[in-house]
Amino acid sequence: EAQVTQNPRYLITVTGKKLTVTCSQNMNHEYMSWYRQDPGLGLRQIYYSMNVEVTDKGDVPEGYKVSRKEKRNFPLILESPSPNQTSLYFCASAGQESSYEQYFGPGTRLTVT
Amino acid sequence: KQEVTQIPAALSVPEGENLVLNCSFTDSAIYNLQWFRQDPGKGLTSLLLIQSSQREQTSGRLNASLDKSSGRSTLYIAASQPGDSATYLCAAKDYNAGNMLTFGGGTRLMVKP
Repeated sequence: EAQVTQNPRYLITVTGKKLTVTCSQNMNHEYMSWYRQDPGLGLRQIYYSMNVEVTDKGDVPEGYKVSRKEKRNFPLILESPSPNQTSLYFCASAGQESSYEQYFGPGTRLTVT
Repeated sequence: KQEVTQIPAALSVPEGENLVLNCSFTDSAIYNLQWFRQDPGKGLTSLLLIQSSQREQTSGRLNASLDKSSGRSTLYIAASQPGDSATYLCAAKDYNAGNMLTFGGGTRLMVKP
């Protein structure tokens, strides 16, 4: 089954404790991205990657890092999480062969205390 | 910078009604426009993707249209059902902004039995 998976689905952590949210897709998509969703602000893009070793900032990249060492994986790294990064995070992927239709993961609900 | 707006923000209709959700965008240089459905606390499910060269796409009871010249897309839902209750999001993929996807704020739809 074609899918985008994220782990963990739920995470509660404390300020300053480094964490990584993993994202993996099995559709051989070259494009992957991360979004955060907040009430009243909607969905905003954090980072995206056009292919292996190619990443670019989205609208709200501050406080986040990403890497794309393999085509299927695109982890989101919070080096020093802060309470304002409490949010619902989504990973997405898309491929040229499907006209860049975006497929989303199930989401990761992060709470930083 | 692309801006995407969805009106109304919320809509409540009785079961069986045909309804139209609106999406407008400011920059007509889009690569495609995608409609999603999101259930509370869940991920985004792709409903329809319209390429910039297309005027409309249909899937079952759903029909999405695109008018680039006026910066508008509509999602038509025929014979609405309680199971259609969800938030509907449109998102524009630009030519001019790498692969960034810009989302509207969504329309929260409730279909009453």
